[in-house]
Amino acid sequence: GNSVTQMEGPVTLSEEAFLTINCTYTATGYPSLFWYVQYPGEGLQLLLKATKADDKGSNKGFEATYRKETTSFHLEKGSVQVSDSAVYFCALELMYSGGGADGLTFGKGTHLIIQP
Amino acid sequence: DSGVTQTPKHLITATGQRVTLRCSPRSGDLSVYWYQQSLDQGLQFLIQYYNGEERAKGNILERFSAQQFPDLHSELNLSSLELGDSALYFCASSVQGVGVGETQYFGPGTRLLVL
Repeated sequence: GNSVTQMEGPVTLSEEAFLTINCTYTATGYPSLFWYVQYPGEGLQLLLKATKADDKGSNKGFEATYRKETTSFHLEKGSVQVSDSAVYFCALELMYSGGGADGLTFGKGTHLIIQP
Repeated sequence: DSGVTQTPKHLITATGQRVTLRCSPRSGDLSVYWYQQSLDQGLQFLIQYYNGEERAKGNILERFSAQQFPDLHSELNLSSLELGDSALYFCASSVQGVGVGETQYFGPGTRLLVL
């Protein structure tokens, strides 16, 4: 079946450090890939997405590139802030050949803590 | 604020009971999804509705059921509750629900505690 693997953490960094959160996937087709973020006590918010190989999603200084050859979608940010502290989820969605799609398949989530 | 609302925010009930969770999608969105977030299982897709009809089914137990009404709000019914059903239940909505990288907008969730 389809699955997403990501480091669970917690990942603790100092402010202005470089961030990488690894995400790899297994899918029986060509999925769309997403990063969602969950701040304490809130629902999930879309951070960025990519729908085909070599696409780069970007938002709020975060970037991730859809790498089909390595089945990966690693999240990066050049300089993190305390306000980036949250749980980050990598997810995929697979479309049926006849149209329609299953729901999102999520990784376990990575808890990111940024210290001042 | 995503525009997706969920009620109630918190629910405490006993084993064997039945509860109903409610979700109102963003204005204009036709598709509603339900997800369960628990410590051991993580975030799991339960079921999707589009314009009143079931479109996709995930890891939803037979004790659970859902529906989407003509005004597009949705309800998730959980019956014969067990301790292991304690979790955060999220509703999400999207415009069409046909995939192709469509963004799903998540509500704040309903936290269910089964005692």
